[in-house]
Amino acid sequence: GIQVEQSPPDLILQEGANSTLRCNFSDSVNNLQWFHQNPWGQLINLFYIPSGTKQNGRLSATTVATERYSLLYISSSQTTDSGVYFCAVGGATGTYKYIFGTGTRLKVLA
Amino acid sequence: DAGITQSPRHKVTETGTPVTLRCHQTENHRYMYWYRQDPGHGLRLIHYSYGVKDTDKGEVSDGYSVSRSKTEDFLLTLESATSSQTSVYFCAIRDLGRGLNTEAFFGQGTRLTVV
Repeated sequence: GIQVEQSPPDLILQEGANSTLRCNFSDSVNNLQWFHQNPWGQLINLFYIPSGTKQNGRLSATTVATERYSLLYISSSQTTDSGVYFCAVGGATGTYKYIFGTGTRLKVLA
Repeated sequence: DAGITQSPRHKVTETGTPVTLRCHQTENHRYMYWYRQDPGHGLRLIHYSYGVKDTDKGEVSDGYSVSRSKTEDFLLTLESATSSQTSVYFCAIRDLGRGLNTEAFFGQGTRLTVV
């Protein structure tokens, strides 16, 4: 099955700093999402981005499907950005499975 | 917000007892998923459903069974709970009628403790 790797596993930033989170996947995909899990455990949809680039405020994401990776950019980070960021992918081979990476734990310091 | 309700939200049970978790949706979405989340493992797929009575195994299905007798409900059953099944369980749904290329939405999670 598809393998999903995220890097870095942990990240500590000062408020106002920028960061890039990476998601690598081992096979072709039709679906890719980025989620933020807040400190209360809620999973929040950030981007649905199987290919291309999207932006939403201080966050943006780019997926290069042919090279099997996606990047999540966080600019001018805030303490509320703290939590765990996951990418999840669904394969292009007819499977309905949706597989998660192990996440990047981000802590933004005031 | 997507209409997904998980119940119960918290449960403590004894080893060896059966436990059923419920995921209810009001979105008429075709695909439903059960995941478990444990420290260091992210979210791992237990079982999923691609229609009424159509289910399949995920990565960590041993010790779990599922049923989907109607579109809106997806039940996860632990036939005989073990301490290794202490976890947070999440349900997810994906849209109807758009094939595979749709985003998933998650419920609030169920925290299960097996003592």
